Amino acid sequence: SYELTQPPSVSVSPGQTARITCSGDALPKKYAYWYQQKSGQAPVLVIYEDSKRPSGIPERFSGSSSGTMATLTISGAQVEDEADYYCYSTDSSGNPLFGGGTKLTVL
Amino acid sequence: EVQLVESGGGLVQPGGSLRLSCAASGFTFSDHYMDWVRQAPGKGLEWVGRTRNKANSYTTEYAASVKGRFTISRDDSKNSLYLQMNSLKTEDTAVYYCARVAVTPNGYYFDYWGQGTLVTVSS
Repeated sequence: SYELTQPPSVSVSPGQTARITCSGDALPKKYAYWYQQKSGQAPVLVIYEDSKRPSGIPERFSGSSSGTMATLTISGAQVEDEADYYCYSTDSSGNPLFGGGTKLTVL
Repeated sequence: EVQLVESGGGLVQPGGSLRLSCAASGFTFSDHYMDWVRQAPGKGLEWVGRTRNKANSYTTEYAASVKGRFTISRDDSKNSLYLQMNSLKTEDTAVYYCARVAVTPNGYYFDYWGQGTLVTVSS
């Protein structure tokens, strides 16, 4: 079955650039989306359609996609960016799918 | 401001039933597809199912893990979404989120989420 694969964890120091990857065979044809979920809170959309940023999301969040890999980049990560990040896409049949999530630690 | 507020969660025994509700405001509810997504304790996000809008005949889809046990419905006159859960299993224990769906030519995604309601299935 189709999967979206993320690293379980990424760790950076404040001010460094954090990169979280998401790989999936359908990504060359399907957009990737990224959700941030802080502890005890609902997910929040931070990137849509590979690289677009919703209003209210800081400019340090950016996205890109090439081939079978999508990447969420947080330039100059802040302590408040510490959260779980989930990539999301659909398979070739349109079925929704989440990646397993990546725990970002900023310290 | 878009708001989604879930209710109806609680403790239920295996084999039991529960009905979740999601009250929507701040947008034209009847125009939108709506989904349920769940998250087991300490685990990732899992899509549960979808109801399309009236223009698409209110058709529904379900994840294989809940198909035949869960039913999604909506009442556009009340701006409300529902999840009827029957034959509950311990593995259905999770926080259940309702989410508004954004439809694009390329697929679907969730642009707004509620705060979630916890369902615990245990004896």
